[in-house]
Amino acid sequence: AQTVTQSQPEMSVQEAETVTLSCTYDTSESNYYLFWYKQPPSRQMILVIRQEAYKQQNATENRFSVNFQKAAKSFSLKISDSQLGDTAMYFCAFTIIQGAQKLVFGQGTRLTINP
Amino acid sequence: DAGVIQSPRHEVTEMGQEVTLRCKPISGHNSLFWYRQTMMRGLELLIYFNNNVPIDDSGMPEDRFSAKMPNASFSTLKIQPSEPRDSAVYFCASSLRGRAGEQFFGPGTRLTVL
Repeated sequence: AQTVTQSQPEMSVQEAETVTLSCTYDTSESNYYLFWYKQPPSRQMILVIRQEAYKQQNATENRFSVNFQKAAKSFSLKISDSQLGDTAMYFCAFTIIQGAQKLVFGQGTRLTINP
Repeated sequence: DAGVIQSPRHEVTEMGQEVTLRCKPISGHNSLFWYRQTMMRGLELLIYFNNNVPIDDSGMPEDRFSAKMPNASFSTLKIQPSEPRDSAVYFCASSLRGRAGEQFFGPGTRLTVL
C-alpha cells in the first residue's frame, strides 16, 4: 500500500521569505505522479504543482518549485517570495499511473504567512 | 468551464435523517471521486467511478453510505440514516483518465448531523 507522510503539522514564516514543506512517500511502484494541493480557508482544493516520477527535472510553477528525490522518496515544495495569499493547508498527494489512479494524501501542513 | 459543482454547500440535519449530496463533474471528465475530510482522519477516498461505473468503494465506511452515477454529468452520495459521526466536509472531484491523478475538486459540502 502507498503512504504519504508530511512531518510538519504547522509552519509559519514572514511575508517575502522562502519556505519549504516536506513530504515523503512509500511505494513499490516505479511509475507514478506526485502533487501538491493547496486548501485555503475557503476550503477549495487547488492543484499547485505536479511531478511525473519518470522526469528527472524538478517541476516549477512561478514561485512554486519542488525538490524531487526519487531514490529517497522525497518530494518537498518550495515557495519563494511568500505572500499572504499563500496561507493555507498544503497537501502532498500521490497516484500510480496504472490502475485506479486514486490519490493518496498526506496529513497536510498548515502554513501561515505573517505580514 | 464552471468546474466541479456540488450541492448543497452546507447541510444541517438531525440524526436518523437521510442526506443526499450531489455532484456535477467537469464536462468531458470520465472519472469521479468522492472524498470525506475530517480533522481526525484527514482526506479519505470513499468511492471512485470510471465511465459511470463504480470501480472501488472500499473506502465507504458502512452500509449506510451509498453512491450512484446514473450518467456522465451527475453523481449522488447518500447517507441513510445519518449519524453525528458523519459530520464532515464531503468533496467531489473529477478527472480525465490519462491525465493521471490531476483531479479537480468541487467546493465541498459541509455536513453537520446533530
